[in-house]
Amino acid sequence: QQQVKQSPQSLIVQKGGISIINCAYENTAFDYFPWYQQFPGKGPALLIAIRPDVSEKKEGRFTISFNKSAKQFSLHIMDSQPGDSATYFCAARGDYGQNFVFGPGTRLSVLP
Amino acid sequence: DSGVTQTPKHLITATGQRVTLRCSPRSGDLSVYWYQQSLDQGLQFLIQYYNGEERAKGNILERFSAQQFPDLHSELNLSSLELGDSALYFCASSEVWGAGNTIYFGEGSWLTVV
Repeated sequence: QQQVKQSPQSLIVQKGGISIINCAYENTAFDYFPWYQQFPGKGPALLIAIRPDVSEKKEGRFTISFNKSAKQFSLHIMDSQPGDSATYFCAARGDYGQNFVFGPGTRLSVLP
Repeated sequence: DSGVTQTPKHLITATGQRVTLRCSPRSGDLSVYWYQQSLDQGLQFLIQYYNGEERAKGNILERFSAQQFPDLHSELNLSSLELGDSALYFCASSEVWGAGNTIYFGEGSWLTVV
């Protein structure tokens, strides 16, 4: 119930392509879903986040798509760049009394 | 820069030893979290404090302990260290416990046990 599943484990995309990372959860008490980007040797940094009352949120080249009924959400990176090469973590948090639960991460490599 | 400060950045110690990792949260943040990240592994939640009190506990070993002080900084104590404890330890902070806002991570403390 507390798990967040994430796929794929690793992803290789050509420059200019679309990167798609998928996450799924079981706990319907989760109501806040952030994505974090982590570069080697650095701490995870908030990239974009969504609440389940909207189906999509876009910030620049990054878009979260949210399917509440399926309990799934995904990160789309449009026009992927080599600088996007990093590990991406999806996460979920309940409104009260629950900690953040992180997916296992996806290592993205964007080839020049 | 997230505003979360962790020291030391790197630490090498021998098995059986004890170390203390320190974290200063973002200004105004009352909640502190500790996570462990082993090589090529995900973020394993260890423990959370809110305004000095323990709020949530994850997969924290009995050899590990933490506390949050009145000035809101936090320390993670790791004792009887084993080779398998080598990892990157992250501190994160957020404004309040229970609200839907996000958490911000520090740069981490690299611990190597030899």
